Amino acid sequence: DTGVSQNPRHKITKRGQNVTFRCDPISEHNRLYWYRQTLGQGPEFLTYFQNEAQLEKSRLLSDRFSAERPKGSFSTLEIQRTEQGDSAMYLCASSFGRGGVQRETQYFGPGTRLLVL
Amino acid sequence: AQTVTQSQPEMSVQEAETVTLSCTYDTSESNYYLFWYKQPPSRQMILVIRQEAYKQQNATENRFSVNFQKAAKSFSLKISDSQLGDTAMYFCAFLYYNTDKLIFGTGTRLQVFP
Repeated sequence: DTGVSQNPRHKITKRGQNVTFRCDPISEHNRLYWYRQTLGQGPEFLTYFQNEAQLEKSRLLSDRFSAERPKGSFSTLEIQRTEQGDSAMYLCASSFGRGGVQRETQYFGPGTRLLVL
Repeated sequence: AQTVTQSQPEMSVQEAETVTLSCTYDTSESNYYLFWYKQPPSRQMILVIRQEAYKQQNATENRFSVNFQKAAKSFSLKISDSQLGDTAMYFCAFLYYNTDKLIFGTGTRLQVFP
C-alpha cells in the first residue's frame, strides 16, 4: 500500500486557464475527500465522495470547481477560469467507511500546490 | 458553526524535552472525534493521535499523549522526549460522528532544536 498519491505536485498557470488535479486514494478506501489549504491556515473541506457519489460540497466550491470520481477509484478536481485567489495547496484524503455513524481516520496525500499568475 | 482554535502560532522546544500544544473547540454536539495531525515541511500530513469523545481515557501513542477535557472543550497534545523529526506544523481537527468534514485549527508550528 503506497498511500494516497496526488498529481501533479506543483502547477503554475496563468489566470483564466483551466487546471485539473488527480488523486489516487488508498486502494481499499471507499471515501475520498478534497480540502484546500492556504498559507498560514488549516485545510478547509471542499467536497467528498463515497464510491462514485459526491455526497457533500462546501460553499467554498464555486461553480468554477468540479470534482469527479467516475469509477469509485481515482478522483479529479478541475478548476475552470482560474483566478489568483485559487492559489493554494489542494489536498486529497481517503478513508474506509464501514457505514453507520462510525468514522475512520482520513489519510492525506502530499497535495498539489497551485500558483495562479 | 463549529470552530477549532489553536492559540499558539509557534512553539519551540529543546530536544529530549516535553512540550504541550493547546487546542480548544466549540460544539454543542456530544458525539465526535478529535485528531492531531502533523505536517512536516514540504511533506504530507500524517495522523498523530485520535480521540473519540465518548472515551474518558486519554489516547496515547508512544511519545504522544492527549489531555482531553470534554467539559472544557479542550484537547491538548503532549510530546515527550522531543526529537528533531518532530519539527512540523501540528493541526488539531474535529469531526462529528455522522459527518465526513474535518474542521481544522490554524495550526501550531513546532521547532525542535538540538
